[in-house]
Amino acid sequence: SQQGEEDPQALSIQEGENATMNCSYKTSINNLQWYRQNSGRGLVHLILIRSNEREKHSGRLRVTLDTSKKSSSLLITASRAADTASYFCATDDETSYDKVIFGPGTSLSVIP
Amino acid sequence: EAGVTQSPTHLIKTRGQQATLRCSPISGHTSVYWYQQALGLGLQFLLWYDEGEERNRGNFPPRFSGRQFPNYSSELNVNALELEDSALYLCASSHPGQGNQPQHFGDGTRLSIL
Repeated sequence: SQQGEEDPQALSIQEGENATMNCSYKTSINNLQWYRQNSGRGLVHLILIRSNEREKHSGRLRVTLDTSKKSSSLLITASRAADTASYFCATDDETSYDKVIFGPGTSLSVIP
Repeated sequence: EAGVTQSPTHLIKTRGQQATLRCSPISGHTSVYWYQQALGLGLQFLLWYDEGEERNRGNFPPRFSGRQFPNYSSELNVNALELEDSALYLCASSHPGQGNQPQHFGDGTRLSIL
């Protein structure tokens, strides 16, 4: 069964706008990661947030984690056409570091 | 620093044949992971190797197998290919500790079954 699930499935915005994607998961976790995948390419790691952290920033990216709601959000500010990609959250399981499960992803289109 | 490299880029096979996919991890990484990404779908975890040993396996039939060599490179073998095996196969590497280590991905092998 799926651990993480992103919402929305697809998002289309104008360049310069902010994009927010959400990830919900089912069981308690140690860490949550966000990745980006450009069409036909491998995934690129964006941010890892630990279960005892509430917010992390990296450049134009802001990730929040609410363990009480079992959810995370990825905010991309001042979006650019180059941000067009699929974004995945990946979670482990509190009981084991042995498996990371990826959600189905959010497809983001940034229109110039 | 060289990234994760996968070969071949594309592979075309027919039903019933066998396919071998290869992956070279980033230097210093001992863990290698394999994922299947069917068209329009998310990543499905296949296998995790570390220090030459299979550490975990996803929900795939035994005809999906692999190994990790002493230099930490890895092979994924798929026997008795079926049409639904058509997908992008992604390899990733990291330092040990799958859940708390970022994974670095190659650009994948596109396997097409005719």
